[in-house]
Amino acid sequence: DQQVKQNSPSLSVQEGRISILNCDYTNSMFDYFLWYKKYPAEGPTFLISISSIKDKNEDGRFTVFLNKSAKHLSLHIVPSQPGDSAVYFCAAYRSTGNQFYFGTGTSLTVIP
Amino acid sequence: DAGVTQSPTHLIKTRGQQVTLRCSPISGHKSVSWYQQVLGQGPQFIFQYYEKEERGRGNFPDRFSARQFPNYSSELNVNALLLGDSALYLCASSLGEGRQIYSYEQYFGPGTRLTVT
Repeated sequence: DQQVKQNSPSLSVQEGRISILNCDYTNSMFDYFLWYKKYPAEGPTFLISISSIKDKNEDGRFTVFLNKSAKHLSLHIVPSQPGDSAVYFCAAYRSTGNQFYFGTGTSLTVIP
Repeated sequence: DAGVTQSPTHLIKTRGQQVTLRCSPISGHKSVSWYQQVLGQGPQFIFQYYEKEERGRGNFPDRFSARQFPNYSSELNVNALLLGDSALYLCASSLGEGRQIYSYEQYFGPGTRLTVT
């Protein structure tokens, strides 16, 4: 039962352009949504989060958008840099029961 | 400041054996969560512990158990290992749990790679 889905396994973007990573979810009871970045041989690194009552959160080059009616969120990276090349995981958190759900990840490659 | 640490880094076990994985959270973090990540998949939530009590459990069999110690470190135990238990086991820590502020912002360790043969 995949409650958080990332349908694009990979994405390639030119340096300086915008990267848009997408995520869909099925459970309307999630309280927070998070994005993590993962380099090979390392654990995921927390990037940015958004509460279910917000529709946008921005932190530097990273902006997360939440569309609750569509059960969809996206991560925008502007401008993209080669160091952003990594696997990005979308995650959702439900405080009732303290349940965490991760997507399968999207591998981003930023081409210099 | 030290991040989340896990030991061992790699482990090879035989089917039917038992394994214990260890995790030390970031200083000041009271909550520890465990995840299993199979190749090509996202992390799957196993447990969350806070103040030595289990506060969340994912869809894993009873062969998986964990505990948290007074210093907030944690152990994950897996009994009667199966080939399918081969995975990267990740530990994550956070300041709190449930509706406490920033409880959902978790910081991960590098993981323990378990291979079951």
